[in-house]
Amino acid sequence: EADIYQTPRYLVIGTGKKITLECSQTMGHDKMYWYQQDPGMELHLIHYSYGVNSTEKGDLSSESTVSRIRTEHFPLTLESARPSHTSQYLCASSEGTSGGFEQFFGPGTRLTVL
Amino acid sequence: TQLLEQSPQFLSIQEGENLTVYCNSSSVFSSLQWYRQEPGEGPVLLVTVVTGGEVKKLKRLTFQFGDARKDSSLHITAAQPGDTGLYLCAGPQVSNSGYALNFGKGTSLLVTP
Repeated sequence: EADIYQTPRYLVIGTGKKITLECSQTMGHDKMYWYQQDPGMELHLIHYSYGVNSTEKGDLSSESTVSRIRTEHFPLTLESARPSHTSQYLCASSEGTSGGFEQFFGPGTRLTVL
Repeated sequence: TQLLEQSPQFLSIQEGENLTVYCNSSSVFSSLQWYRQEPGEGPVLLVTVVTGGEVKKLKRLTFQFGDARKDSSLHITAAQPGDTGLYLCAGPQVSNSGYALNFGKGTSLLVTP
């Protein structure tokens, strides 16, 4: 059973608000990821981290930012939310040099921006 | 980006039927993974296939990796309502994002009693 948590599970906010989506894992994994998922579409990588103080942007351009101050914590922040940010956000983690690159996912945050 | 095409996109069957879903790419992958995602939850890893031609069984689920490592299939025998969900295939990206995964769009399976 994977131990990776995301809060909140659901969030409905107004345009212009600043929000932070939380993600924590207790498995000691160095690598963590944020994906964006829309209905009928692929999961798109928006941010990843190889360890503390390491963050990179993924393939899908995103106005969000991330930080990795502690191994277990990888929050995602939107400074000014817009309706185009409405989506499902999934956090994942993986072990260092796993040959199969298995990833463990949190339950996701469903964000709706009005 | 290495694209993964999954088919069919949607599948609705009755309990007890057999089914096969496919994951195809023009690129070679070092490995492929299959995940199942239930509504409101994150994907959960089912299996990883690594060797061309490999076949793995997980109870009623049989996974196969193509000889050329460009495609994979998932066969479910005697489907049950608990098999309902979104089935995603994924392969490691060959890019600066290192250990991240490319995902297909998934096959949405509905098994009715």
